[in-house]
Amino acid sequence: QSVLTQPPSASGTPGQRVSISCSGSDSNIGARSVYWYQQLPGTAPKLLIHTNDQRPSGVPDRFSGSKSGTSASLAISGLRSEDEGDYFCAAWDDSVTGPHWEFGGGTKLTVL
Amino acid sequence: EVQLSESGGGLVQPGGSLRLSCAVSGFTFSNYAVTWVRQAPGKGLVWVSTISATGGATYYADSVEGRFTISRDNSENTLFLEMSDLRVGDTAVYYCAKAAVQSRGWFDWYFDLWGRGTLVTVSP
Repeated sequence: QSVLTQPPSASGTPGQRVSISCSGSDSNIGARSVYWYQQLPGTAPKLLIHTNDQRPSGVPDRFSGSKSGTSASLAISGLRSEDEGDYFCAAWDDSVTGPHWEFGGGTKLTVL
Repeated sequence: EVQLSESGGGLVQPGGSLRLSCAVSGFTFSNYAVTWVRQAPGKGLVWVSTISATGGATYYADSVEGRFTISRDNSENTLFLEMSDLRVGDTAVYYCAKAAVQSRGWFDWYFDLWGRGTLVTVSP
């Protein structure tokens, strides 16, 4: 059971806009920044969004992030077939046993 | 070009030990925190452990605390993960990744570049 909760799946057709949610609590998303990773089939994770809504160099502006309270969201506009893969949110959690870097369970994105 | 390359994975019996290495190049290793993240076959990403740039601070997931030890050799640009008392549930691809920012505070760290991973299989 992940500390951060994501829907297991999402889908859309080419050109559509898709949104993936990530729900946490006061000890993680409510207090810290949120990060998003993309993992395409057979590859290592790639940083997609950092510090809630910032795109690293080279990430298309079709990808955007937002955060409100204890929840965050990743939006992908102009969906493309190459966007198909798994998406993970992440955040530090200041738990009773010390800081933990937590991932959401992941959302499998299917481009129909 | 920044590169991280994991090695040391393999097949080990339950209760056994294994030492993973992550050789890095293309950046000043001693300035950045680094982390281990694992992924069981067909499952999601799970954080394992993080170490600060100097090695003075280490952090562990509850599931590996007391069994795994993270360390680094800044003179050799290498990160390590010493794993003992291995369990079937530790079977996964283990990735190393570098922090994106040079900060002393764990709350500032996030991980931007990853290696390709090394597979650890724990089986009787």
